[in-house]
Amino acid sequence: GAVVSQHPSRVICKSGTSVKIECRSLDFQATTMFWYRQFPKQSLMLMATSNEGSKATYEQGVEKDKFLINHASLTLSTLTVTSAHPEDSSFYICSARAPPGTGRESSYNEQFFGPGTRLTVL
Amino acid sequence: AQSVTQPDIHITVSEGASLELRCNYSYGATPYLFWYVQSPGQGLQLLLKYFSGDTLVQGIKGFEAEFKRSQSSFNLRKPSVHWSDAAEYFCAVGASQAGTALIFGKGTTLSVSS
Repeated sequence: GAVVSQHPSRVICKSGTSVKIECRSLDFQATTMFWYRQFPKQSLMLMATSNEGSKATYEQGVEKDKFLINHASLTLSTLTVTSAHPEDSSFYICSARAPPGTGRESSYNEQFFGPGTRLTVL
Repeated sequence: AQSVTQPDIHITVSEGASLELRCNYSYGATPYLFWYVQSPGQGLQLLLKYFSGDTLVQGIKGFEAEFKRSQSSFNLRKPSVHWSDAAEYFCAVGASQAGTALIFGKGTTLSVSS
């Protein structure tokens, strides 16, 4: 299947610093990527939808100024957690959906998930 | 409202016994249904998916799921559980429209006893 990578896999930072997480589609172009957040023992909650070349769409309750999303190319979306605090500690997972015509498309909204990034804010 | 319900938070099954994980959904459009498995600290692995056609879907690792529209259910089954199946299982529903994310259930933790 299609491969989506995330970097870093694990990051520990001090409170007040900013952290950037990268999500890459390695063998297909993704016009749409999604960022999810997962707290321990809980399900994945959608944070935002990232569209290449346009602004991200954030879910209700997600601060767009705190969680900056950039989808500058068809293979890369980044999530920057600005001024991180301990409550931002979580598992962040991205997914990517290939557009029609790339050979990896699915008209059935199949998404390919990255391995996740564990963020710990001290 | 669109939602996915996994009624069982935690299930323990003896190794070699059969397994059924329940999933019910509420979705306004034609649902596309997925089961994912997640090991501790790891990402999601797709077990199987249902888009259309045969309502009994075969997946990887010996899993299968049956879509029952009348019951709005998509239960996951395995005839004989292995200790390596211990993990968190998520049911998800999505739509065909481009740009729509998946909605996940809260997950079911599977423990396997020897």
